[in-house]
Amino acid sequence: KAGVTQTPRYLIKTRGQQVTLSCSPISGHRSVSWYQQTPGQGLQFLFEYFSETQRNKGNFPGRFSGRQFSNSRSEMNVSTLELGDSALYLCASSLGGQGNYEQYFGPGTRLTVT
Amino acid sequence: AQSVAQPEDQVNVAEGNPLTVKCTYSVSGNPYLFWYVQYPNRGLQFLLKYITGDNLVKGSYGFEAEFNKSQTSFHLKKPSALVSDSALYFCAVRDILKAAGNKLTFGGGTRVLVKP
Repeated sequence: KAGVTQTPRYLIKTRGQQVTLSCSPISGHRSVSWYQQTPGQGLQFLFEYFSETQRNKGNFPGRFSGRQFSNSRSEMNVSTLELGDSALYLCASSLGGQGNYEQYFGPGTRLTVT
Repeated sequence: AQSVAQPEDQVNVAEGNPLTVKCTYSVSGNPYLFWYVQYPNRGLQFLLKYITGDNLVKGSYGFEAEFNKSQTSFHLKKPSALVSDSALYFCAVRDILKAAGNKLTFGGGTRVLVKP
């Protein structure tokens, strides 16, 4: 089975721009979660989508948004980029359900905001 | 609110010696606990999980972890460390509340350095 894929792998954007990141989960997985990883804040939960519905949301401003499509693929969008948004964005997929399933992570998208 | 603490930023161990990475957690209910490993420029790889049952959980690559409810700990162990085990290790917890979905709270990570 193919693993979780994320595109693009690397991205450089300018402050004020917006960006869209894509995640394709493992086949059959219905839950997709997004995390932000930075040296200062560590791994922080952004949001989770399950069956096209946002099921949970972390403590991030409204500039961060996401969606999930009927094939479980997910995108996250960051508008009005700030320098502090520079991070590794990780997507994770899971069979879903009650949270006792492990999550499988993609390689991440490295976003640099200049 | 749920939280995870990994008290050691770095653990140094000689190849062939036992490896322990510490983790303590705080949840309002019963926990689901996970260990992940991250190699440079890679995503996180799942090692093992505790859901219920035996307190000693065996996982990938010879790793195991012991769940201790009274001490709210979930330490990761490996009897004989390899140089290739050098990486960043994360402990994570999920509170068993349906509303929480798959949200994981991670510890700050422990860098393991195994010297030949």
